[in-house]
Amino acid sequence: ETGVTQTPRHLVMGMTNKKSLKCEQHLGHNAMYWYKQSAKKPLELMFVYNFKEQTENNSVPSRFSPECPNSSHLFLHLHTLQPEDSALYLCASSPPGASGSGGYTFGSGTRLTVV
Amino acid sequence: GESVGLHLPTLSVQEGDNSIINCAYSNSASDYFIWYKQESGKGPQFIIDIRSNMDKRQGQRVTVLLNKTVKHLSLQIAATQPGDSAVYFCAEGFGNEKLTFGTGTRLTIIP
Repeated sequence: ETGVTQTPRHLVMGMTNKKSLKCEQHLGHNAMYWYKQSAKKPLELMFVYNFKEQTENNSVPSRFSPECPNSSHLFLHLHTLQPEDSALYLCASSPPGASGSGGYTFGSGTRLTVV
Repeated sequence: GESVGLHLPTLSVQEGDNSIINCAYSNSASDYFIWYKQESGKGPQFIIDIRSNMDKRQGQRVTVLLNKTVKHLSLQIAATQPGDSAVYFCAEGFGNEKLTFGTGTRLTIIP
């Protein structure tokens, strides 16, 4: 366990479904991140939250909707996804800035399959 | 940006040999560098880091070398074991800016 917990580990959803991914950390970190990892591609940053405020949206389609109710929890709400959205979705947390203190701590990810 | 279907570099090493994984970083102002290991079905895990005021740092069986002149980072793994098989990512950071990740290298240990 890294200290960052993601649920569910696996998710299969239809294109008309609505689902949510959850991320939780109790490391005392104030920054949280969503990344998408597709086969044969580098990690793609999606969203960044600092102290519960969204500080970056990396041109992510609106069918992905993040929510950060507090510094320990991060959600990614999914609706009307496309098959190309199938990927491993990784959550990470860090102290502000992440320069030092070991960088980001990642969860194990949610393997999402859109059918 | 990255192209679709980017081929992940691979490295195959005999068990017990040393491995060297290389990374070219992009920002000459970056002052913090990290190596991550990602095993199948898991998220990336921290291995070792180094600041720009150093050119070498050692951990348990791992050594990171930093060459700022050519913006090059390497990870050396001594006496590789089957459990070292994974994808290895480098990351660079500057000040309070977010980390930038490399594409990764898949390391396979041959028994």
